[in-house]
Amino acid sequence: EVQLVESGGALVQLGRSLRLSCAASGFNLDDYAMHWVRQIPGKGLEWVSGISWNSGSIGYADSVKGRFTISRDNAKNSLFLQMNSLRPEDTALYYCAKDIYSGSQPPSLDYWGQGTLVTVSS
Amino acid sequence: DIQMTQTPSSLSASVGDRVTVTCRASQSINFFLNWYQQKSGKAPKLLIYAASNLQSGVPSRFSGSGSGTEFTLTISSLQPEDFTTYFCQQSYSNPYTFGQGTRVEI
Repeated sequence: EVQLVESGGALVQLGRSLRLSCAASGFNLDDYAMHWVRQIPGKGLEWVSGISWNSGSIGYADSVKGRFTISRDNAKNSLFLQMNSLRPEDTALYYCAKDIYSGSQPPSLDYWGQGTLVTVSS
Repeated sequence: DIQMTQTPSSLSASVGDRVTVTCRASQSINFFLNWYQQKSGKAPKLLIYAASNLQSGVPSRFSGSGSGTEFTLTISSLQPEDFTTYFCQQSYSNPYTFGQGTRVEI
């Protein structure tokens, strides 16, 4: 059974850093691209970042470019999101999601974790 | 960035109804359009990818169509568990933007 479990969410102050982790199980992580998507509770979805199976292709939303860094450790079945210079508008539930492809094709996200909540106070 | 606009933002329907949700892209995205269902307090679930491909395990009452800038999600006969929120997402270019969502209500 595919499982994605996010961790690392917390209440932090404006300008501080946070590192999110996603533990993957039930599939071969190194066969698939992975993504982070965030959602303000009760609101819409925003794609944040994605990384191909071998980290050779990485993308970010403009709203986080230069502040967030996505990475992965396939040997440890883990995905990460380093979040620096946090802003109140980064407050959201952050989901880790698995792609149906390796990263060479347009993304479609077939499995999602339950999310980890990041709250940035001013 | 490509803007995705869903219509309607909400709709009322009954069990057994045929329902259609529309998603329009601000520029052509070929057929690179996904549909997700999200129930309250849960993560999104992939229903349709590449405009018309039914994800494994998704009931056949769900279907998708369209290309270019206009796409539709159709539920042929609404079931009680379908009363929830649906999002489209373009996968044509980074950033992979979502529509604002359509809430299907009784």
